[in-house]
Amino acid sequence: QKEVEQNSGPLSVPEGAIASLNCTYSDRGSQSFFWYRQYSGKSPELIMFIYSNGDKEDGRFTAQLNKASQYVSLLIRDSQPSDSATYLCAGYKSGAGSYQLTFGKGTKLSVIP
Amino acid sequence: GAGVSQTPSNKVTEKGKYVELRCDPISGHTALYWYRQSLGQGPEFLIYFQGTGAADDSGLPNDRFFAVRPEGSVSTLKIQRTERGDSAVYLCASSSGTSGRDEQFFGPGTRLTVL
Repeated sequence: QKEVEQNSGPLSVPEGAIASLNCTYSDRGSQSFFWYRQYSGKSPELIMFIYSNGDKEDGRFTAQLNKASQYVSLLIRDSQPSDSATYLCAGYKSGAGSYQLTFGKGTKLSVIP
Repeated sequence: GAGVSQTPSNKVTEKGKYVELRCDPISGHTALYWYRQSLGQGPEFLIYFQGTGAADDSGLPNDRFFAVRPEGSVSTLKIQRTERGDSAVYLCASSSGTSGRDEQFFGPGTRLTVL
């Protein structure tokens, strides 16, 4: 079992709808979680990170973390065609000299005009 | 300011050859990471440098892979006796710190193709 699991999709939503992206993790030692967006052929770029239980909002994006359920999600409100990309969830863990991001395989999102 | 840069952007080599991939991090970033991304997968951690030293090389797949960062800035990932399975995009990232709240900034990657 991979440490960070994501549904690979594709997830298709109409323009203006809410896109919901989900991620589960197995390592309870993970301290924080990062959501990256990756356009085809490009490198990952950070959308937001979360380290406390609950919701964190940044513009059209809301990250949610539930440590008891080992579940992380990203909501994108008012989805735009420019949001079409692969969304990578990553767990961060530090200790004993290690500072690693462990990525899921990503969920491909398509926003249909 | 400039972001993370990587050279070359593409590298095609033959099985058994030696390759070097270069990463120039954001100025002042002490932490530097190498990842490998295969098609349809997320980035996979290879190695982490804090300054000049490799603080965590647990992700290097075998002893054909080696990385250096001699002056605490530019890093080079070296792959000996390349195999077709080494074909992937090699990503470099840097960050100003190593807390769970420090963003890792990624470079554009080097696409390595081993024929």
